[in-house]
Amino acid sequence: AQSVTQLDSQVPVFEEAPVELRCNYSSSVSVYLFWYVQYPNQGLQLLLKYLSGSTLVESINGFEAEFNKSQTSFHLRKPSVHISDTAEYFCAVIPISGSARQLTFGSGTQLTVLP
Amino acid sequence: SQTIHQWPATLVQPVGSPLSLECTVEGTSNPNLYWYRQAAGRGLQLLFYSVGIGQISSEVPQNLSASRPQDRQFILSSKKLLLSDSGFYLCAWSVIQNYGYTFGSGTRLTVV
Repeated sequence: AQSVTQLDSQVPVFEEAPVELRCNYSSSVSVYLFWYVQYPNQGLQLLLKYLSGSTLVESINGFEAEFNKSQTSFHLRKPSVHISDTAEYFCAVIPISGSARQLTFGSGTQLTVLP
Repeated sequence: SQTIHQWPATLVQPVGSPLSLECTVEGTSNPNLYWYRQAAGRGLQLLFYSVGIGQISSEVPQNLSASRPQDRQFILSSKKLLLSDSGFYLCAWSVIQNYGYTFGSGTRLTVV
């Protein structure tokens, strides 16, 4: 079984400041990793994912996440946030193989960007 | 292209009334389908998932049920709603080659 821990439930940050949303996971098997973003009253949208290759993955809107296997982490970062980045962010993992593969989500981090 | 439709967007229902939420997927075949619920201030709770027509797995015991009458249709139902059923319901689909899930836009259910 897998578990995902998002250490911060709320992260307030001022506009143009850097931000890091932390994600740690636990799994007895190898996993793929994801970050989803949810804007108010909307569904979840895939922000970025790590499947293989370079451990640093980037999204089209300036977010990046680095897979650290030794620390079982997949923290999300952005060097300069905008008001429009205000949303809830979910980290998730899924086993690479197996017959009953399902996404396991963290509890979410609410990012609030202040003017 | 692959899309997912979920309706209605919002719903206000009295306690004890029935519920039917529908989700349909376009542009893919034999997807895995999921129903999630988000209660206020809580994360995502997987309610049901389906790997094929008529195949439903329940993750939590409750007064909700799910059905998959067609390959790309997933329905969430209840015979009698409880106040605790209020929340944001999300449908999602996946196919193995996509690795992740694609979510619908959600239904905000308020039971009064």
